[in-house]
Amino acid sequence: AQSVTQPDIHITVSEGASLELRCNYSYGATPYLFWYVQSPGQGLQLLLKYFSGDTLVQGIKGFEAEFKRSQSSFNLRKPSVHWSDAAEYFCAVVLGGGGNKLTFGTGTQLKVEL
Amino acid sequence: EAQVTQNPRYLITVTGKKLTVTCSQNMNHEYMSWYRQDPGLGLRQIYYSMNVEVTDKGDVPEGYKVSRKEKRNFPLILESPSPNQTSLYFCASSPPGRGETQYFGPGTRLLVL
Repeated sequence: AQSVTQPDIHITVSEGASLELRCNYSYGATPYLFWYVQSPGQGLQLLLKYFSGDTLVQGIKGFEAEFKRSQSSFNLRKPSVHWSDAAEYFCAVVLGGGGNKLTFGTGTQLKVEL
Repeated sequence: EAQVTQNPRYLITVTGKKLTVTCSQNMNHEYMSWYRQDPGLGLRQIYYSMNVEVTDKGDVPEGYKVSRKEKRNFPLILESPSPNQTSLYFCASSPPGRGETQYFGPGTRLLVL
């Protein structure tokens, strides 16, 4: 089945440390890939997206993600985490089929220790 | 300001009492969609609409209805809510192309007793 996997349910990092959130997808072709962030009580905000071309994508708030076709992965990274980055992060893909449907992973909850 | 609005933001109701959650966007987007978010499951699509009068089921449509009579509005209707529809609901909109960025509303938290 086509799916998106975020293997880490919770991650805790210290402020100033680096961060990597993992995302793997299962699909026969390269999908459209997205990372969204959901702050407490808020909607979803797009961090970055990948369609084609350069496999290292820069996003907002200092985030970047790297697409690796051989590993079917699209991991999110940040060199130095700030306390305000505490939130839930969702990897999502648009596959073939109906319209512009986003298929989401189950999310990774990020806690930042001061 | 470009935005997607939802009303109400919070709603407590009882089993069987019909309710409607409204969604409106001011970006002239053709594509609109409803998702529900449940712990441990991420977000799942309920219904989507490619344009006015064009709607289709998503992954979890049971117990929901939608309509798209105007381009800007896409209400979600629960004709007979049940406790398993207690969830956080998000409306989203985008231009029509596959892979276009979707813009999300602030969410509606629903509790069905």
